[in-house]
Amino acid sequence: AQKITQTQPGMFVQEKEAVTLDCTYDTSDPSYGLFWYKQPSSGEMIFLIYQGSYDQQNATEGRYSLNFQKARKSANLVISASQLGDSAMYFCAILTGGGNKLTFGTGTQLKVEL
Amino acid sequence: DADVTQTPRNRITKTGKRIMLECSQTKGHDRMYWYRQDPGLGLQLIYYSFDVKDINKGEISDGYSVSRQAQAKFSLSLESAIPNQTALYFCATDRGTYNEQFFGPGTRLTVL
Repeated sequence: AQKITQTQPGMFVQEKEAVTLDCTYDTSDPSYGLFWYKQPSSGEMIFLIYQGSYDQQNATEGRYSLNFQKARKSANLVISASQLGDSAMYFCAILTGGGNKLTFGTGTQLKVEL
Repeated sequence: DADVTQTPRNRITKTGKRIMLECSQTKGHDRMYWYRQDPGLGLQLIYYSFDVKDINKGEISDGYSVSRQAQAKFSLSLESAIPNQTALYFCATDRGTYNEQFFGPGTRLTVL
């Protein structure tokens, strides 16, 4: 079975600063994918970034980057130059080689302040 | 128009009532999912379907059933709703393993 742990229930960051949201995972499958989703207060789930277990480079998508440390089983999300619109709940998720099930963490609530 | 739609968006019902939540997608994906989100928690998988003839239970399928009417349509039913099924329900779709799932806007269900 796979598991995602997000240890930061809430985070604050000042506008224009960078912030790192932690995610550790547990799986015995050598092949897996890691995802980050954003859920604003309106409720929808928005895909942000994906990292494959065999990818040699860390994934980046605009202001989002994924700090993938395979040996430590961590997949932290880094948001650069935070904006007020980044205030939301952020979920880390893992999909293993069987490909049947996306397992989510409990999320981190990020608040960006002026 | 949205790629994944859910109806209704909000529903209040009473204990014991039968409820159906509907999901449609225009992305042409074969794989569809139903998730449930409780306040302060991540998403838990209820059921998933990889094609029209394929239905699989997720981690919390008790009390729920599904129907895959077509490639584009996947419905979730609560046969006899109970208060602890009050939650936000999401439908999602993807085109295959290791591809992002596209989520619908969610249905907020309250069971009194």
